[in-house]
Amino acid sequence: DAGITQSPRHKVTETGTPVTLRCHQTENHRYMYWYRQDPGHGLRLIHYSYGVKDTDKGEVSDGYSVSRSKTEDFLLTLESATSSQTSVYFCAISDSDSSGQYEQYFGPGTRLTVT
Amino acid sequence: AQSVTQPDIHITVSEGASLELRCNYSYGATPYLFWYVQSPGQGLQLLLKYFSGDTLVQGIKGFEAEFKRSQSSFNLRKPSVHWSDAAEYFCAVGAFGGGADGLTFGKGTHLIIQP
Repeated sequence: DAGITQSPRHKVTETGTPVTLRCHQTENHRYMYWYRQDPGHGLRLIHYSYGVKDTDKGEVSDGYSVSRSKTEDFLLTLESATSSQTSVYFCAISDSDSSGQYEQYFGPGTRLTVT
Repeated sequence: AQSVTQPDIHITVSEGASLELRCNYSYGATPYLFWYVQSPGQGLQLLLKYFSGDTLVQGIKGFEAEFKRSQSSFNLRKPSVHWSDAAEYFCAVGAFGGGADGLTFGKGTHLIIQP
């Protein structure tokens, strides 16, 4: 399994509080991603990073910010959590292989509940 | 923008029977296609991928998928299912480099195995 850890694995927080989720990798991959998974929606991309301090928005980026100060860490922050952000959050990593193709590997997920 | 449709939300198959999960995609250029499996409470595991070349691709756990450009489909098949195949299956499409800028997922198909 790819070396990806997410912390915390479970969190319950109240509406309006800030929350930061951490993704840590040991594979030295350039690309890192945050997805959210909701019933009936599959996985949707929130933000991704293509290098240290290089990030871009995904499909559902409103209400989220990210930071990547080191290759191995990618942080997802909910500045002021809302109930609509209750979800399971997955981190993924990828890099190009010898043929220039990418393959994403996923972490175990973080279950976030906003009450 | 790309999109993925998995028409079947749930599928029930008897153990030992054959399986086909449907996936249709929409993308203007050559797609990069993936199938992932998710067991309850787990992250996503890559089953197989199509980047180019042979349109019939083999994956892990005895799965295969066939890319049909004329039908915009990438259906997943297995000749004989086992009870351990019960899980959620996701089809995904990537653009640049096979998804370096993120994947677009279908909503998933929940596979139930009957004894």
